Amino acid sequence: EIVLTQSPGTLSLSPGERATLSCRASQSVSGSTYLAWYQQKPGQAPRLLIYGASSRATGIPDRFSGSGSGTDFTLTISRLEPEDFAVYYCQQYGSLPRTFGQGTKVEIK
Amino acid sequence: QVQVVESGGGVVQPGRSLRLSCAASGFSFSSYVMHWVRQAPGKGLEWAALILHDGSNKYYADSVKGRFTISRDNSKNTLYLQMNSLRAEDTAVYYCARDPHYTDAFDMWGQGTMVTVSS
Repeated sequence: EIVLTQSPGTLSLSPGERATLSCRASQSVSGSTYLAWYQQKPGQAPRLLIYGASSRATGIPDRFSGSGSGTDFTLTISRLEPEDFAVYYCQQYGSLPRTFGQGTKVEIK
Repeated sequence: QVQVVESGGGVVQPGRSLRLSCAASGFSFSSYVMHWVRQAPGKGLEWAALILHDGSNKYYADSVKGRFTISRDNSKNTLYLQMNSLRAEDTAVYYCARDPHYTDAFDMWGQGTMVTVSS
């Protein structure tokens, strides 16, 4: 099983600031880039932001970007908007079982 | 409208059974791999099971293997999760999620249905 470790656990930032979230895999993700990022707000279902490590899903603003391959991945939000404060999860989908990181909460400072 | 809608959650005693449903609409359900993902209160996401587009193969997380069964009826555009021998640790919101190609991200999620296992 691939274990995904996200850091930091909580990120306290102000609107307009840049957010950098990390996701590290215990072994190389199959296909090297079978890594996705999801956003979840309280009481809502997760929403796909990034797939293939760096491709934005339909309708996702370009302030969201993903990078990385193998075992180290990053989600960057270039300038935080008020609606971006949420929990973010990474997920690998190249092998079974599918696994998620434990999440990073981006909160308003 | 393109969506998936879960139903069937509720409060159930330990050891009992429950069946969840996920009704799909607005897209070609039979072309997609489908998953169940759960989230315990205040916790992160945990993948539970997947079924290929034609139902030919199914895979489970170790935590539910042997107790849960995923199935689908493509004629009814519906995904199911039969949950037997329920435990307190199965308490969670259960989401169904769509996967275009098996090795693909989950591009659509339902709103979830809450299952509470308690005596």
